[in-house]
Order: sequence, then C-alpha cells, then structure tokens
Amino acid sequence: NAGVMQNPRHLVRRRGQEARLRCSPMKGHSHVYWYRQLPEEGLKFMVYLQKENIIDESGMPKERFSAEFPKEGPSILRIQQVVRGDSAAYFCASSPAERGGYTFGSGTRLTVV
Amino acid sequence: KNEVEQSPQNLTAQEGEFITINCSYSVGISALHWLQQHPGGGIVSLFMLSSGKKKHGRLIATINIQEKHSSLHITASHPRDSAVYICAVRSDVIQGAQKLVFGQGTRLTINP
Repeated sequence: NAGVMQNPRHLVRRRGQEARLRCSPMKGHSHVYWYRQLPEEGLKFMVYLQKENIIDESGMPKERFSAEFPKEGPSILRIQQVVRGDSAAYFCASSPAERGGYTFGSGTRLTVV
Repeated sequence: KNEVEQSPQNLTAQEGEFITINCSYSVGISALHWLQQHPGGGIVSLFMLSSGKKKHGRLIATINIQEKHSSLHITASHPRDSAVYICAVRSDVIQGAQKLVFGQGTRLTINP
C-alpha cells in the first residue's frame, strides 16, 4: 500500500516558467491538502481539495497559483510565471475523511533560478 | 501571537536523555498531530491525539484539552532521533476546519 506519492522530488525552474507539482493520495483517501514550507519557516496551509472540488483555498496566493484534483489522476498544484520567492518545499497530505488521520508525502522541493 | 506555540525552539541533549517538547494552542481543536521532519526530508506523522495519551516505542504523546497543551516525550534518546518535531492542530474554530495549523517546530539534536 503505497503512501502519498509526490513528484517530482526536486524541480528547478527559471523565472517566468510554469511549475506543475503532482500528488497521488493514498489508496482510499479522497481528501488532499497542499502545504508550503518556505526556507527557514514553518509549514503553511495552501488548499484543501476533494475529488473535483476545491473545499478551502484560503491559503493560496491570489495570483499565479491554482490547484485541482480531477476525478481521475493525481492532484496538481500549478504555479505560473514562477518567481524566486516561490522557492520552497511543497508538501501534499491525504486523509480518508474530514476527521481522518493525515499521511504526508515526501514533498517537492522547487528551486527557482 | 501564533495559534500554536512550541517550546523549546532548539534542544540539544546527550544520548540517553529523556526529552520533552511542549506545544500550547489557543483555539478549540478536534485533533492534534505530532510530526517529525529530518533535514531535507519528508514529514512523518508520529501521533494524532484528541485526548489522553499515546505511546509508540520510545515516543509518548500526551494532551490536556482543558489546558490546551500537549507534550511529546522521547525516552532513551538516540542520535537518530535528531530531527525537527512539529506540533499541528486541526481546529473546529479556525476557518476551514480540515486544515492543519502548525507550530514553528523544535529542532532536536542528540549527541552521541
């Protein structure tokens, strides 16, 4: 039973390019959460999704960031026109229900050069 | 003031020592998580608590709902326990109850 799978593990993008981060939740989990960890800072909530629905995106920057969790396939966090300040570790977690236990992925470390 | 406060921020101890990391929160919660993160590594969920006490190997987590306080204890600490330990709460009060709100983490170093 594979855990939460995130890919890629490391992603390097030049300023202005697009970054696409993928998260496959654990089998049986229908709730996905994205968190960002800026260098030397704590984890911050970005977005909470269920299949085909964004439930809470209160932590998402208003521009350039979007997330989806389609009926089929992984959840995608998309960052358009990346800037140096987007360099961070992005973690995905999944749970089987609203009050279920969390399982975290290994994260994607984005570096913008 | 952060909704979740951890102490200490940094802790260095000798192998074998008993370790305590504290977490205080200011909102009503439905669950509290203790997480472990090694440098450059992923996040491992150690415990999820809503009341009482849990034990797993050398790790013990306790929570006092009335005092809004939780502790993580490590007995017979070992250098491989060196990591950042993060307290996170899921709140019924904070908007968006399903998300976690994190403490700043405690960086633990165990010297041999």
